Amino acid sequence: KAGVTQTPRYLIKTRGQQVTLSCSPISGHRSVSWYQQTPGQGLQFLFEYFSETQRNKGNFPGRFSGRQFSNSRSEMNVSTLELGDSALYLCASSPLDRTYNEQFFGPGTRLTVL
Amino acid sequence: AQRVTQPEKLLSVFKGAPVELKCNYSYSGSPELFWYVQYSRQRLQLLLRHISRESIKGFTADLNKGETSFHLKKPFAQEEDSAMYYCAGGGSQGNLIFGKGTKLSVKP
Repeated sequence: KAGVTQTPRYLIKTRGQQVTLSCSPISGHRSVSWYQQTPGQGLQFLFEYFSETQRNKGNFPGRFSGRQFSNSRSEMNVSTLELGDSALYLCASSPLDRTYNEQFFGPGTRLTVL
Repeated sequence: AQRVTQPEKLLSVFKGAPVELKCNYSYSGSPELFWYVQYSRQRLQLLLRHISRESIKGFTADLNKGETSFHLKKPFAQEEDSAMYYCAGGGSQGNLIFGKGTKLSVKP
């Protein structure tokens, strides 16, 4: 099976812009989670989608949002970008309804905000 | 609040030496704990989980509820073990709570 894919792999934006990142889970996986990874804060949970519904949400401002489509592909959007949003954004998919039992990570999207 | 702590940012050992990567957790109830590993230029991947009590690539981890620890151990380190190791716990929201990670460097 193909692994989790994320597009784009690299992105450069300026403050105030918005950005959309995409994640395609492993075929058959219905749960998709998003994480933000920074040197200072490490890996932090953003949100999780299961069967097109946001099931869990981390402690991030409303500028961070996401959605999941019927084919389980997911997108996350960040509006009004700030310098602190520069990070590696990781997507992970899981075949089970308990997400953390078996998570498979994508390569990440490196977002740089100038 | 649920928390996973990895006290060491960097751990450096020589090949053949024993390795112990420390992880402590702060949880209510019964935690579900995992170790993830990220080798250079590779994806983050699951190494092992406490419920399966397995040994992967010679690594083991035992849950110690009294000490609230889930340390990762290997009796004889290999150069290919050099990587970033993350301890993680299952959060109440169904998400993973990660520690900050420990970089393991195994010297020849």
